[in-house]
Amino acid sequence: QQPVQSPQAVILREGEDAVINCSSSKALYSVHWYRQKHGEAPVFLMILLKGGEQKGHEKISASFNEKKQQSSLYLTASQLSYSGTYFCGTGTVGDGSARQLTFGSGTQLTVLP
Amino acid sequence: NAGVTQTPKFRVLKTGQSMTLLCAQDMNHEYMYWYRQDPGMGLRLIHYSVGEGTTAKGEVPDGYNVSRLKKQNFLLGLESAAPSQTSVYFCASSYSATGFYGYTFGSGTRLTVV
Repeated sequence: QQPVQSPQAVILREGEDAVINCSSSKALYSVHWYRQKHGEAPVFLMILLKGGEQKGHEKISASFNEKKQQSSLYLTASQLSYSGTYFCGTGTVGDGSARQLTFGSGTQLTVLP
Repeated sequence: NAGVTQTPKFRVLKTGQSMTLLCAQDMNHEYMYWYRQDPGMGLRLIHYSVGEGTTAKGEVPDGYNVSRLKKQNFLLGLESAAPSQTSVYFCASSYSATGFYGYTFGSGTRLTVV
């Protein structure tokens, strides 16, 4: 089952912060985050694993709440280059499903000057 | 540069025609995937492969077939194209089963079935 992302879209000014959420109804083993710019391929940002720590990548970080089966992506002091659609991909526990990611429908982030 | 290469980049098919999409990776990844992307629906898994000679169905496999005869190549076939298969198709590969180092995606194939 597809994870649910929120919000569907967000518009920011340069320098503002944003949070994108991803929640699943299934027990999660892993959560991936990707960014896709218009007309391009999704690009891997980071992975969070069950039992792992919060990850960070420049001014972009993420957390994983195993009890709630939720992950959040934090973008701080946003830059114009952060614009794009952000997808979470989840790997679930059991029956080998960790091998395949199920992606959310995406959050469109627009950063204005 | 190392990565995932998809061919063709664009294609227009008539209903009922067949075609094969090719995905090639040069990173020696065991795991390869075919996704389709439709507006508002994110990426949906069609088929995947955990190694040379092995394939498995994903979330939306109907109307598609795949083959992985060589480790570096993963082919997606449409035997009889339908308008519902109009989409952008992405191939991806990963080093590990859990995608610990992330998936590497190709640049996509935009397919229109008329």
